[in-house]
Amino acid sequence: GAGVSQSPRYKVAKRGQDVALRCDPISGHVSLFWYQQALGQGPEFLTYFQNEAQLDKSGLPSDRFFAERPEGSVSTLKIQRTQQEDSAVYLCASSLSGGRAYEQYFGPGTRLTVT
Amino acid sequence: SQQGEEDPQALSIQEGENATMNCSYKTSINNLQWYRQNSGRGLVHLILIRSNEREKHSGRLRVTLDTSKKSSSLLITASRAADTASYFCASSNFGNEKLTFGTGTRLTIIP
Repeated sequence: GAGVSQSPRYKVAKRGQDVALRCDPISGHVSLFWYQQALGQGPEFLTYFQNEAQLDKSGLPSDRFFAERPEGSVSTLKIQRTQQEDSAVYLCASSLSGGRAYEQYFGPGTRLTVT
Repeated sequence: SQQGEEDPQALSIQEGENATMNCSYKTSINNLQWYRQNSGRGLVHLILIRSNEREKHSGRLRVTLDTSKKSSSLLITASRAADTASYFCASSNFGNEKLTFGTGTRLTIIP
């Protein structure tokens, strides 16, 4: 079946531009996660949703970062006024769970480069 | 910030040999998972071990967990060229599903 998909796969933004990254989770997966991965590092947690509820946004680095999942399926991560330090791969993952930790299924990521 | 430290940071071995990677973490965990990442297939779940388990096997993979030492190890037996990838441990705490990843081990299998 279809896995987690993300779009765009690559995004180049000029410093100061706003960007929107999309994630389509596996159908029926309750939980959805966003992670940020810098080059040569492990992914770092940004935020997560159970259905449409954003339960934890402690990892969002600043108020320029905003995520939503209005209908409990597709999610969008928005970054306003991008800065060079925002350059990274943004990974989305989903899992069946709903409270209990299960394995997470990751999308291919969106590589954001801010120039 | 990343909770886990992995060692070694990089490991190169001959095809057919066994590879062992270690992971340490800082706080109490609900479970610990191992993931593989390569450019072709992205980040893929390998195995999950719960805090009340000490050892788990899946095919050529063997994972151990020592909660008293806050450490885990991943053993890959009879390595293959296709095992070349970065390997990450990731932990989750009770009551929260988010994963805290380690720094990763870059494994290279020499044919």
